[in-house]
Amino acid sequence: ELKVEQNPLFLSMQEGKNYTIYCNYSTTSDRLYWYRQDPGKSLESLFVLLSNGAVKQEGRLMASLDTKARLSTLHITAAVHDLSATYFCAVDLNSNSGYALNFGKGTSLLVTP
Amino acid sequence: DGGITQSPKYLFRKEGQNVTLSCEQNLNHDAMYWYRQDPGQGLRLIYYSQIVNDFQKGDIAEGYSVSREKKESFPLTVTSAQKNPTAFYLCASRILRAGYGNTIYFGEGSWLTVV
Repeated sequence: ELKVEQNPLFLSMQEGKNYTIYCNYSTTSDRLYWYRQDPGKSLESLFVLLSNGAVKQEGRLMASLDTKARLSTLHITAAVHDLSATYFCAVDLNSNSGYALNFGKGTSLLVTP
Repeated sequence: DGGITQSPKYLFRKEGQNVTLSCEQNLNHDAMYWYRQDPGQGLRLIYYSQIVNDFQKGDIAEGYSVSREKKESFPLTVTSAQKNPTAFYLCASRILRAGYGNTIYFGEGSWLTVV
């Protein structure tokens, strides 16, 4: 059974600070996804990482993937309040599961002044 | 505009009642999915379908049923057998033809509450 673990699950950080969210998964996969969810809303796609060593950046967020370590990171640079949300990582299941995504429990991020 | 439309956005169910959540996509996506999200939790897979007239159970299918009569539509019925249905339900879809690794897109979600 594929397990996806995120840590931390809760993160309170000051504006202007840097921090990293970690996503570990238990079986081989070359594809990892990061989503953002605002309270009461649906999921917004942030990054799709498709190969070992992939790095993608958008604004103050940067995601990377190490398939050998089965680890992805989401790095936040100089946090601002607008980044407050819940962040999910997800890994592709295989054809036996219809290529569905298996999600971590999410990291609730609160950026304070 | 292309996208995934879920309806209704809010739904109240009485004890013993079946309710159906609608999911329609005009993205020409092959696969469609239903996920359930409980407050403060991640997403759990209920059912998925890769082609018309075929669907498979996910991790928490008990008390739910689906159909896929058209490529664009994947309705979810929450039956009275589902004892704790209060949750946020998300429908999603993706292309399979170009190989997996493509983004999964989500609808806006439906809130179901038991009264």
